[in-house]
Amino acid sequence: DIQMTQSPSSLSASVGDRVTITCRASQSISSYLNWYQQKPGKAPKLLISAASSLQSGVPQRFSGSGSGTDFTLTISSLQPEDFATYYCQQTYSTPRTFGQGTKVEIK
Amino acid sequence: EVQLLESGGDLVQPGGSLRLSCAASGFTFSSYAMSWVRQAPGKGLEWVSVISGSGGSTYYADSVRGRFTISRDNSRNTLYLQMNSLRAEDTAVYYCAKDASNAPLPMLDWFDPWGQGTLVTVSS
Repeated sequence: DIQMTQSPSSLSASVGDRVTITCRASQSISSYLNWYQQKPGKAPKLLISAASSLQSGVPQRFSGSGSGTDFTLTISSLQPEDFATYYCQQTYSTPRTFGQGTKVEIK
Repeated sequence: EVQLLESGGDLVQPGGSLRLSCAASGFTFSSYAMSWVRQAPGKGLEWVSVISGSGGSTYYADSVRGRFTISRDNSRNTLYLQMNSLRAEDTAVYYCAKDASNAPLPMLDWFDPWGQGTLVTVSS
């Protein structure tokens, strides 16, 4: 199975901060990497597919980059509604594994 | 609007069975593969199973293979997960999700949207 490792596991940030979350795959997954946002008690929401394709309706302050084994989710200016847990997911192979999540909290 | 609505979650004893349902609307159900993903309390996401649009192809995580069965009724726009021989470690919120295409396991794939989830608790 491909292991997905996110860092950090949690972070504290202020509104307006630039936030970067990293996801590393245990082997090359090309660009078959998605990012999801999950708020407490809610279902995950797709933010970015194929490493860098922003989904319709997702604010442009979110961006994704990377290929191979190293990927990044960036929030250019953190907003109050962005405080949530973020997960990466690889679809290069089965099982479709997720990272352990990164919780973004208010400083 | 695409909507997915799960049901069937409950408290069940170890070794018991349960069937989850996911009612879909707002898209051509038979044209998309569908997946189940679970989340244990306070934990991360775990992919469980996928079924092709026609229902002819199914795949499972090792942790549930041989105990869980995914199926779909395209005439009723409904996805199912039959769960047998349940264990304490199966306790989780179970989400259904729409895949990106008809094929069950394309490389270019994502889950969007997800249902609201249904809680399965396995305990004596």
